[in-house]
Amino acid sequence: RKEVEQDPGPFNVPEGATVAFNCTYSNSASQSFFWYRQDCRKEPKLLMSVYSSGNEDGRFTAQLNRASQYISLLIRDSKLSDSATYLCVVSLTFLTPLVFGKGTRLSVIA
Amino acid sequence: DADVTQTPRNRITKTGKRIMLECSQTKGHDRMYWYRQDPGLGLRLIYYSFDVKDINKGEISDGYSVSRQAQAKFSLSLESAIPNQTALYFCATSDRDPGQGDSYEQYFGPGTRLTVT
Repeated sequence: RKEVEQDPGPFNVPEGATVAFNCTYSNSASQSFFWYRQDCRKEPKLLMSVYSSGNEDGRFTAQLNRASQYISLLIRDSKLSDSATYLCVVSLTFLTPLVFGKGTRLSVIA
Repeated sequence: DADVTQTPRNRITKTGKRIMLECSQTKGHDRMYWYRQDPGLGLRLIYYSFDVKDINKGEISDGYSVSRQAQAKFSLSLESAIPNQTALYFCATSDRDPGQGDSYEQYFGPGTRLTVT
């Protein structure tokens, strides 16, 4: 089983739609969780961290379910500019490198 | 100026040639990383360094070597390039102490597109 698994998509959604991505991780001892965003042929950039209590940043909401070992990202009121690949990222401890999922591609259509 | 720079940005080389990719950072971070990205395979860690005297192999280190010349510089070498090393290569940095908030954040350079013919 891969350490971090994501549905590769693509998710094609109209502007204004709500879309959700899930990600599962295999190591139950993982401590930290993140979503990164990567635009086509660009470098990945941190979108948001994922906290146990869940967290929200504008139209983006991240949730963590430790019991089921999955992380979710919800995007409300999708914009054309949200089109990108979203990478689920997990860290075991601060002493180990981040583990990146392969990403989920989102296309928001006018 | 960008915090993490990579040179060259694009390179085409022939099989068997030695090539070096360079990464420099002005963020003052101790930790540096080299990844390659291939379509459908995501980001894969090649090597990482948690400080100047520390070098660690990642998931796919075979065929690659690295040098940490200073805190700010981390180079990746392909001693004898082969076509399946054609990929997009990213350097990244991160802070040493966890602190609070997003201290785990990795900052990526713009990438080097390498083609081996």
